[in-house]
Amino acid sequence: EAQVTQNPRYLITVTGKKLTVTCSQNMNHEYMSWYRQDPGLGLRQIYYSMNVEVTDKGDVPEGYKVSRKEKRNFPLILESPSPNQTSLYFCASSLRTSPVNYGYTFGSGTRLTVV
Amino acid sequence: AQTVTQSQPEMSVQEAETVTLSCTYDTSESNYYLFWYKQPPSRQMILVIRQEAYKQQNATENRFSVNFQKAAKSFSLKISDSQLGDTAMYFCALGGQYNAGGTSYGKLTFGQGTILTVHP
Repeated sequence: EAQVTQNPRYLITVTGKKLTVTCSQNMNHEYMSWYRQDPGLGLRQIYYSMNVEVTDKGDVPEGYKVSRKEKRNFPLILESPSPNQTSLYFCASSLRTSPVNYGYTFGSGTRLTVV
Repeated sequence: AQTVTQSQPEMSVQEAETVTLSCTYDTSESNYYLFWYKQPPSRQMILVIRQEAYKQQNATENRFSVNFQKAAKSFSLKISDSQLGDTAMYFCALGGQYNAGGTSYGKLTFGQGTILTVHP
């Protein structure tokens, strides 16, 4: 089954403790992206990657890191989480230009709480 | 920059009735795509309907249809014969093309979302 797999589904952590949210897709998609969803703000792009070793900042990149060492994986790293990073996070993928045409395939989301 | 605005934070409707969710957008592109996504309590993002801007005909998917007004930059979603399973957050999104380092890529810009509750 074609899918984007995100883990964990829920995560509670303490301020300053490094964490990684994993994302993997099995569709050979070039493009992958991370979004965060907050009430009243919708989904905002954090980082994106157009291919292996090619990543760039989205609209709200502060406090986040990503890497793309393999085509299928695109982990999101919070090196020193803070309470304002409490949010619902989505990983998404598509063929490079097809978000414009066909939208994304989304993961199931990670609810992160930083206390 | 591309923007998407959903001005209705919450809507409610009785089962079997019709409801319309509003969305306005702004873009300088001449060709683009518009989407409505549904997010039920399971949090999964589900594509409901898409519209190609160069097509005059409004897209329809079963009980879901859109009213696309290109000149007004408006893209509303109409849900007919509402069902309890339609209860969800609905997001409007605009697909735009961007250039980075000489490479073109696509990106979706989302609105703030509208929570729809269908009452029995």
